[in-house]
Amino acid sequence: EVQLVETGGGLIQPGGSLRLSCAASGFIVSTNYMIWVRQAPGRGLEWVSIIYSGGSTYNADSVKGRFTISRDNSKNTLYLQMNSLRAEDTAVYYCAREWRVSMATDFFDCWGQGTLVTVSS
Amino acid sequence: QTVVTQEPSFSVSPGGTVTLTCGLSSGSVSTNYYPSWYQQTPGQAPRTLIYSINIRSSGVPDRFSGSILGNKAALTITGAQADDESDYYCVLYMGSGIWVFGGGTKLTVL
Repeated sequence: EVQLVETGGGLIQPGGSLRLSCAASGFIVSTNYMIWVRQAPGRGLEWVSIIYSGGSTYNADSVKGRFTISRDNSKNTLYLQMNSLRAEDTAVYYCAREWRVSMATDFFDCWGQGTLVTVSS
Repeated sequence: QTVVTQEPSFSVSPGGTVTLTCGLSSGSVSTNYYPSWYQQTPGQAPRTLIYSINIRSSGVPDRFSGSILGNKAALTITGAQADDESDYYCVLYMGSGIWVFGGGTKLTVL
């Protein structure tokens, strides 16, 4: 069974750093495209970051220069390193797999349950 | 920056049909944007409904269907049920690895 489990959320002061983890089972993280999506309280979904199987990464403008997506192949785990955190980064953070099986098929097929990050003093 | 547009809210009667749309602030939605739809209830992770415009994800009832209507992607629920009351999000691929979600539609079934 394909499963994603996020951990690492919590309360952090503005300007602080936090690393989120997303442990995968049922598939290999390094051979897939993996993303982070967040949802601020009462707001919609926001795409945050992607890491391709080849290692290339892209970030939303809102987190560029502050957040870094990475993976540990030996642990089959995805990470999101978040630095210089701001109050507006407060959100539930979801990891998901981007399933691109052909030129015609590209979507998010598997989601974790999310982990809450609260940035507040 | 391109904005993905969705109706903020919609209401449908039980057993009724409703069509939610997903558009662009500039331009038309096409297969090149890989439109997909996700359902989310409060406190839960998103659930994948539709991808590649009109393909239902595994386990999704056939009352959910996707299409292109004019210059937008569309999600139609035929024979709405009470447990369809949720938030619905579309997402579009903008190229260079970037995806943009719409603001979501809050669907009320009453």
